[in-house]
Amino acid sequence: DAKTTQPPSMDCAEGRAANLPCNHSTISGNEYVYWYRQIHSQGPQYIIHGLKNNETNEMASLIITEDRKSSTLILPHATLRDTAVYYCIVRVEGRDDKIIFGKGTRLHILP
Amino acid sequence: EAQVTQNPRYLITVTGKKLTVTCSQNMNHEYMSWYRQDPGLGLRQIYYSMNVEVTDKGDVPEGYKVSRKEKRNFPLILESPSPNQTSLYFCASSLVTGYGYTFGSGTRLTVV
Repeated sequence: DAKTTQPPSMDCAEGRAANLPCNHSTISGNEYVYWYRQIHSQGPQYIIHGLKNNETNEMASLIITEDRKSSTLILPHATLRDTAVYYCIVRVEGRDDKIIFGKGTRLHILP
Repeated sequence: EAQVTQNPRYLITVTGKKLTVTCSQNMNHEYMSWYRQDPGLGLRQIYYSMNVEVTDKGDVPEGYKVSRKEKRNFPLILESPSPNQTSLYFCASSLVTGYGYTFGSGTRLTVV
């Protein structure tokens, strides 16, 4: 089973911030939180990752709670092209065993 | 251009006929993985490799083989394909630390 829990779907109005939550209550101290998205049946695309500090890049921001049991991916100004399935996973840096993607959140951007 | 290249993109084959799906990356990544994606089941890891000659099973390895003789290539071998291996397959690679996966464009396999 996946180590993360995400809502199956969310809607967001175009131009607004999309906030996608992820629960990872059993995360270990050396596990990073990674976010990916998959548009239709294309290969998933890496978005961002973090350990405990908040992170920002050109695509998104990642907010991790102080207890690290949950996180939120923020797309600051959602566009129609952000319609995709978003996956939150946890991964020990430097290891690759049995990474489980789960079912993700299907984000619909509404015009 | 940095990328992961899978071939073929589409394949229809018959039960029992051995096939190989190739995966190649040009980024000098240590890690490579194979995933399959089925409706309602998400992405499931088949095999992964942490470096040349080092491979290990993921969540759903039955019916598959892999090899990692060179750093850039990680082929997926189906010795005797069966209809339950009909799926969308993705290859992915990454550096050891601090980076996410780069995924290929996928191979849609149908076994009849």
